[in-house]
Amino acid sequence: GAVVSQHPSRVICKSGTSVKIECRSLDFQATTMFWYRQFPKQSLMLMATSNEGSKATYEQGVEKDKFLINHASLTLSTLTVTSAHPEDSSFYICSARPWDTEAFFGQGTRLTVV
Amino acid sequence: ILNVEQSPQSLHVQEGDSTNFTCSFPSSNFYALHWYRWETAKSPEALFVMTLNGDEKKKGRISATLNTKEGYSYLYIKGSQPEDSATYLCAFLAGSARQLTFGSGTQLTVLP
Repeated sequence: GAVVSQHPSRVICKSGTSVKIECRSLDFQATTMFWYRQFPKQSLMLMATSNEGSKATYEQGVEKDKFLINHASLTLSTLTVTSAHPEDSSFYICSARPWDTEAFFGQGTRLTVV
Repeated sequence: ILNVEQSPQSLHVQEGDSTNFTCSFPSSNFYALHWYRWETAKSPEALFVMTLNGDEKKKGRISATLNTKEGYSYLYIKGSQPEDSATYLCAFLAGSARQLTFGSGTQLTVLP
């Protein structure tokens, strides 16, 4: 299988600051990565599709200026939550489907904005 | 918006019991249906990727069936063990899409 590493696993930040979450593919090249958010007791909601070397594709209702995605290399995609507020507190997780079959996930990041 | 639903939301069973959960999904524009197991503090891991109507897949004590015409899949666990405790997610892939649409999961707790 493929290995996806996500960092940090847990972060607490002050309201108004920005937080960067990294998602790395360790043993494969990922031209596409997916960023999800999970609210308590709800499903993984796709936020955006990260495309290497081009702009991310955001889902309806996701603010692209709030959730900046950069996919500058074939092994790294980053999600930056800008000017974070308490309502951005959530669980964020990335995944990739390198062979167009099953998805491989990072460990997830629990963000708490205080 | 694609509607993928799972039931029940949570389930407690005794060790040794067999159990099953349901995933319902759109019956049109079907490409694949995935099942994942998500243990606490770990990443979700794929159990099955199912593509053909009538598919039945098995991995140890866990098996899954697929009915694309009516839009449902069942996941069965035979003789549940405490290590089976996890959240089980299904995910639908439409023919035109690259991204998966997830259900909200079934949280299984197997009591020793």
